Amino acid sequence: EIVLTQSPGTLSLSPGERVTLSCRASQSVSSSYLAWYQQKPGQAPRLLIYAASSRATGIPDRFSGSGSGTDFTLTISRLEPEDFAVYYCQQYGFSPLTFGGGTKVEIK
Amino acid sequence: QVQLVQSGAEVKKPGSSVKVSCKASGGTFRSYAFSWVRQAPGQGLEWMGGIIPIFGTANYAQKFQGRVTFTADESSGTAYMELSSLRSEDTAMYYCGRGHYIDSSGYYALDYWGQGTLVTVSS
Repeated sequence: EIVLTQSPGTLSLSPGERVTLSCRASQSVSSSYLAWYQQKPGQAPRLLIYAASSRATGIPDRFSGSGSGTDFTLTISRLEPEDFAVYYCQQYGFSPLTFGGGTKVEIK
Repeated sequence: QVQLVQSGAEVKKPGSSVKVSCKASGGTFRSYAFSWVRQAPGQGLEWMGGIIPIFGTANYAQKFQGRVTFTADESSGTAYMELSSLRSEDTAMYYCGRGHYIDSSGYYALDYWGQGTLVTVSS
């Protein structure tokens, strides 16, 4: 199975800052079938990005995704208070679908 | 609008089984794939597998093979996950998620999620 490694594990940042999250796959992800999700405490995950760089419906344009092959990035151009959460990457090109371990973005 | 509503929390004894439902509304049920994802307390997300009603196919992550069964009732627009031989390590939040399908065994990203069902396994 494809192992996804997210880094860093935790980021301590202030509102207004730019953040870049990394997701590295153990082998190339087919057709850039990579997604990013946001999860807040006590809530279900929410899809942010699919196909590596396409924003899901209703997602603000401060969220952007990039990458291909084995290296992918989620960027939040300017952190808003509601963006403090855990972010997961997921590959869906190969079965089993797998998630990264998550990156927690916390308030500094 | 699209909603996935899951059944309520369950407390089960070790060795027993649990069946969780996920009722979908908004959109054509058989046009989508339904995945099941679990999250142990304080841990990350784990894909258990899924079902694609239009093909009648269910796919299982190897870790759960033989212990989990996914079914779907198109008439009621409900997907089900049944997990047997429960052990304490199965204590987790179980989510259903809806997405498009790539083919009979390929799942796209999950664009809608249920609210989760907490399953607690305790003697």
